[in-house]
Amino acid sequence: AIRMTQSPSSLSASTGDRVTITCRASQGISSYLAWYQQKPGKAPKLLIYAASTLQSGVPSRFSGSGSGTDFTLTISCLQSEDFATYYCQQYYSYPPKYTFGQGTKLEIK
Amino acid sequence: EVQLVESGGGLVQPGGSLRLSCAASGFTFSSYEMNWVRQAPGKGLEWVSYISSSGSTIYYADSVKGRFTISRDNAKNSLYLQMNSLRAEDTAVYYCATATVAGRDEIDYWGQGTLVTVSS
Repeated sequence: AIRMTQSPSSLSASTGDRVTITCRASQGISSYLAWYQQKPGKAPKLLIYAASTLQSGVPSRFSGSGSGTDFTLTISCLQSEDFATYYCQQYYSYPPKYTFGQGTKLEIK
Repeated sequence: EVQLVESGGGLVQPGGSLRLSCAASGFTFSSYEMNWVRQAPGKGLEWVSYISSSGSTIYYADSVKGRFTISRDNAKNSLYLQMNSLRAEDTAVYYCATATVAGRDEIDYWGQGTLVTVSS
């Protein structure tokens, strides 16, 4: 099964900062990668699919890049509402149908 | 508007059983694949099970294979997860989730989740 490894596991930043989260797949997954944002007590929200396509309604400060095994999620100018946990997810090879990274908790510095 | 509403969670003893339900509305349920995804307290997301639109194709995570059964009733717009031989490590919020855009597999709709607690 494909394993997804995110780094860092946690990150402290300030409003207005630019942050980057990395996700690495244990084998090539082409561009079959999504990024989700999750806030405490809420279901995850889809931000980016196909590695770099912004989901409708998601602010343009979010961007994704990568293909194959290495991917990044960048938030260009952090807003207060962006402090949350972020997950990558592969949907290239199944079963298992989906594999998630372990998450990156973005906290206020 | 797409809505997924889970129910059936609660406290159950180790070795016990529980059946989760997910009521779907706002889309043509019978046309879409469905999933269960869980999240243990303070932990990350774990995909649990998948069922195709017709129910003919089913997948399970290794951690639940042989103990959990996914099913659906397209006439009732409902998804189910029968959980048997429950263990403490099955304690989690269980989400019903689907990918609604044709030709794409990323999950774009989630329910609010239902909490399952396995404890004596």
